Order: sequence, then C-alpha cells, then structure tokens
Amino acid sequence: AQSVAQPEDQVNVAEGNPLTVKCTYSVSGNPYLFWYVQYPNRGLQFLLKYITGDNLVKGSYGFEAEFNKSQTSFHLKKPSALVSDSALYFCAVRDGPARQLTFGSGTQLTVLP
Amino acid sequence: EAGVTQFPSHSVIEKGQTVTLRCDPISGHDNLYWYRRVMGKEIKFLLHFVKESKQDESGMPNNRFLAERTGGTYSTLKVQPAELEDSGVYFCASSQGQGGGSPLHFGNGTRLTVT
Repeated sequence: AQSVAQPEDQVNVAEGNPLTVKCTYSVSGNPYLFWYVQYPNRGLQFLLKYITGDNLVKGSYGFEAEFNKSQTSFHLKKPSALVSDSALYFCAVRDGPARQLTFGSGTQLTVLP
Repeated sequence: EAGVTQFPSHSVIEKGQTVTLRCDPISGHDNLYWYRRVMGKEIKFLLHFVKESKQDESGMPNNRFLAERTGGTYSTLKVQPAELEDSGVYFCASSQGQGGGSPLHFGNGTRLTVT
C-alpha cells in the first residue's frame, strides 16, 4: 500500500523568509513523488516531481524539493517566500508506473506581508 | 493548449436526486482520472480510464457512482441517487503517458453539494 502524510494543516511564514512544507511517504517499491498547488477555486497545478537521480529537484515558481530516502521524506522548499505563494499544497506518491496517485491531506500555506 | 475542462463548476441538489458531472480532458490524453475531496480531507482516487476502458475503478465508493468514457474522449460521472456524504469537490485529471513520472493535469473541479 502507498500513503502520504502532510503533518501540518497550516504553515505561516513571513514574506522574504524561507519556507518548508513537509511530506513523508510510504511505498513498497521505489517512489514517484509529486507536489501540486491549488489556488482558490482552481484545479491542482503541477509544481515538480522526483523520479530518480538528484535528490534535489527544482520546479515552477522557484520551488524545490528534497528527496530523502532514509527519512522517506519529500519536503517542499523555497528560499524566499512571496505573498502570492499563499495557497493549498498537496504532496502525492505512486509506487509504480501503473499505480494511481495517492495524495496527502494538504497544507495551507499563508505568506504574511 | 486547452486544459482539462469540467462542467458544471458548482451543483446543488437534494438527497435522492441524480447529478452528472462532465470532464473534457486535454486533447490526445489517453489517460483520464476522477478524484474527489470530501470535507477538506485528502484527495481520493475514484477511477482511471485508458481511452474508453476502465483501467482501475478500485476507488469508486459504491454502485451509486457510474463513470463512462464513450469513444475515449470526454467522460461523465453520474451519482444516482445522491446522498449527503457525496458532497465534496470532484476533480478530473488527464495525462498523456502512463509512465510513473507523467504528471496529471487537473481541471478546476466540480463542487457538489447534496442537501
């Protein structure tokens, strides 16, 4: 079975400060990991993914994520937060190419001006 | 390219009524998925089409839910009869490949409220 945990329902950070949104996963095989962002009244937008290779992956809007196999984590990071980054962030995993994507419960990020 | 389109954006129906949701995937995407988010919880998988065939329908909650994708283009998800617990946001997504790294492209969702 595959599962994802986002331990924080809400993350608040001041504009200009670094941000981290946490995600841990559980799979039986090698993970395919994704981050998506949802703005109000919109669908989910793909941010970045990890399949294989470098543990640090870079994505859209200056976001990056670090894959840590020993800690089974895939935390989303950004060096300097913007107010416009305020949104709902979802981590997702699949443990094989034919498996469906399993999502976490989401983390509401609020960047304060 | 046009994105994934879902209709309607909102639907309010009474318990026992029928509702049909529609999804138009990105042109050329063989894979079509339905997900839903209930009560602000995690986004849960419902089913996956490859062209017109159901590849995986393990997430369908019960037989009140019927999904179709005739001709392998658009898809419909019918709830009949609707119950209060069916309220939530229903997302459709499509992808071009079936490889593990293929990201899903999501529509804006249909917010269903059953009263």
